[in-house]
Amino acid sequence: QVQLVQSGAEVKKPGASVKVSCKASGYTFTNYAIHWVRQAPGQGLEWVGWINVGNDKRKYSEKFQGRVTITRDTTATTAYMELNSLTSEDTALYFCARGPSSYYDSSDYYDYWGQGTLVTVSS
Amino acid sequence: QLVVTQSPSASASLGASVKLTCTLSSRHSNYAIAWHQQQPEKGPRYLMKINSDGSHTKGDGIPDRFSGSSSGAERYLTISSLQSEDEADYYCQTWGTGIEVFGGGTKLTVL
Repeated sequence: QVQLVQSGAEVKKPGASVKVSCKASGYTFTNYAIHWVRQAPGQGLEWVGWINVGNDKRKYSEKFQGRVTITRDTTATTAYMELNSLTSEDTALYFCARGPSSYYDSSDYYDYWGQGTLVTVSS
Repeated sequence: QLVVTQSPSASASLGASVKLTCTLSSRHSNYAIAWHQQQPEKGPRYLMKINSDGSHTKGDGIPDRFSGSSSGAERYLTISSLQSEDEADYYCQTWGTGIEVFGGGTKLTVL
């Protein structure tokens, strides 16, 4: 069965960076994209970006452009999201999700979600 | 600008039916959307994708009580025979070239 298992909770100081992992299993990792979405406390869902695992093409939300990097390790079947220059407004649950991939643009829906990783930014 | 709009809340009685609405911005009325359910203190779960013609693709294990439809710029999620575990936030999601967008979510209360 398809599973996306994320790394554990993180506590970071303002200005630091955080790297969250998403380990995929139960399907051919390189045939799909991995998307990242976040949810601030008590708020809705917000798209962060995606990576086409097969061709390594990436796209980021304009809001996070320049501050976020999404990567993948096909050998480890794991995707990563790194967010820099953290502020208290980055305190949120971060989710990875699987979606169909397309060569040029993998913007699409998601059919499986990870369990979420809580990132807390506090001095 | 690609936007999806949802009512903040809805309610219906146990055993009844409820229809949730997701409205696309007018220039994007032919776009597909996806519905995701988020139960309290849990991560989201994919329910279904709905195309502009009303055809839909459900996620694995989603009961027949959940169905989708479409009319113009509106995409609907209908839940019949409401159960207590259906009390959740429901998010509509759409996408375009290089962009993905969520609605604000509808909080469904089962009375």
